[in-house]
Amino acid sequence: DAKTTQPPSMDCAEGRAANLPCNHSTISGNEYVYWYRQIHSQGPQYIIHGLKNNETNEMASLIITEDRKSSTLILPHATLRDTAVYYCIVTGSSNTGKLIFGQGTTLQVKP
Amino acid sequence: DAGVIQSPRHEVTEMGQEVTLRCKPISGHNSLFWYRQTMMRGLELLIYFNNNVPIDDSGMPEDRFSAKMPNASFSTLKIQPSEPRDSAVYFCASSLYAGSSYNEQFFGPGTRLTVL
Repeated sequence: DAKTTQPPSMDCAEGRAANLPCNHSTISGNEYVYWYRQIHSQGPQYIIHGLKNNETNEMASLIITEDRKSSTLILPHATLRDTAVYYCIVTGSSNTGKLIFGQGTTLQVKP
Repeated sequence: DAGVIQSPRHEVTEMGQEVTLRCKPISGHNSLFWYRQTMMRGLELLIYFNNNVPIDDSGMPEDRFSAKMPNASFSTLKIQPSEPRDSAVYFCASSLYAGSSYNEQFFGPGTRLTVL
């Protein structure tokens, strides 16, 4: 399964866009990129996922580079409630449903 | 929908005691996952089920851990005997497996286990 690399922490000003990068240079053609987040003391929460094309939903946008070796999660207008650990996960090529969580990026949204 | 329900939310026990954690997945979901989270090791997948059948238990740390899913609406994770190093937050998650792909996983609030 492809491994992901994320910065351990980031800060963002409230109301500004938060751009969280993820490197997955060993990703294979049929592996998806998933993003989850975990707000303190809660269970992880699904945000968005994609294969090749950019994706957008009510929570965020996912930008995947053309070579698929990296992606960026964008929270367009970060609020204090977006302070959390954000996990970038690449699913296995065998599509087993297993999610392997790394250390993630701790995003601190500041007023 | 009530979401994934876990019980108890907190459990404090003494070393050597049996501990049973419970999970009720979202109605209609056919995949269920058990995770453990500690500061040292992060969030780890222990075991998961498809249609009540265990598919992958390679993450179960040792024979003291066992998990069952007797029906589509209930699963248990048992630790016998418990040890202080089992102290962690245990999460249950469920999703819909469509035969060729998985949808997103929905996590419960977790059970915080402390073994003294």
